[in-house]
Amino acid sequence: KQEVTQIPAALSVPEGENLVLNCSFTDSAIYNLQWFRQDPGKGLTSLLLIQSSQREQTSGRLNASLDKSSGRSTLYIAASQPGDSATYLCAVAGAFTGGGNKLTFGTGTQLKVEL
Amino acid sequence: NAGVTQTPKFQVLKTGQSMTLQCAQDMNHEYMSWYRQDPGMGLRLIHYSVGAGITDQGEVPNGYNVSRSTTEDFPLRLLSAAPSQTSVYFCASSQTSGSPGFFGPGTRLTVL
Repeated sequence: KQEVTQIPAALSVPEGENLVLNCSFTDSAIYNLQWFRQDPGKGLTSLLLIQSSQREQTSGRLNASLDKSSGRSTLYIAASQPGDSATYLCAVAGAFTGGGNKLTFGTGTQLKVEL
Repeated sequence: NAGVTQTPKFQVLKTGQSMTLQCAQDMNHEYMSWYRQDPGMGLRLIHYSVGAGITDQGEVPNGYNVSRSTTEDFPLRLLSAAPSQTSVYFCASSQTSGSPGFFGPGTRLTVL
């Protein structure tokens, strides 16, 4: 059974700092990996999706990397801003379980960016 | 596009009552799913569908039923509510199995 772990569970940084969020998964047979953002009381917004054949994806100040063999992904946020404060979730789609329709989530990293 | 919509936003039920959580998407996505989110446990898959008329169970299906009669709608039915079903429920859709997921705003359900 796939298990997804995110470290740290919570993180507080000053504005402008570059930061890295970590995600690890136990089964390397994945279809893809997504990073989501969740604001309090709201739904999830997909930030980046990395297919199993890719090593990284970039969107603006966000960069996500994927190392399937070691079961790890990182989300890099450059020049953090207070508006980046949210919970970041990592989710993995298994290669043999129907793909991206069936996601296994980590419990998230709660990020606070302070002025 | 409205994206993925869910109703109601909040609901309180008594143990043993039944209800249906509604989910609709207007993006013509084939793939739809239901998740529940509980503190400290992350989101867990309840049921999913890969197209109209096709559904299957996820990780925690007990106590829930689904059907998919149209591409747009994917309702989740609680047959006999229990306090253990107190949770926040999210509906999601995606165009293909390899495309990003779109999530609804969630339904916060309390079972007394």
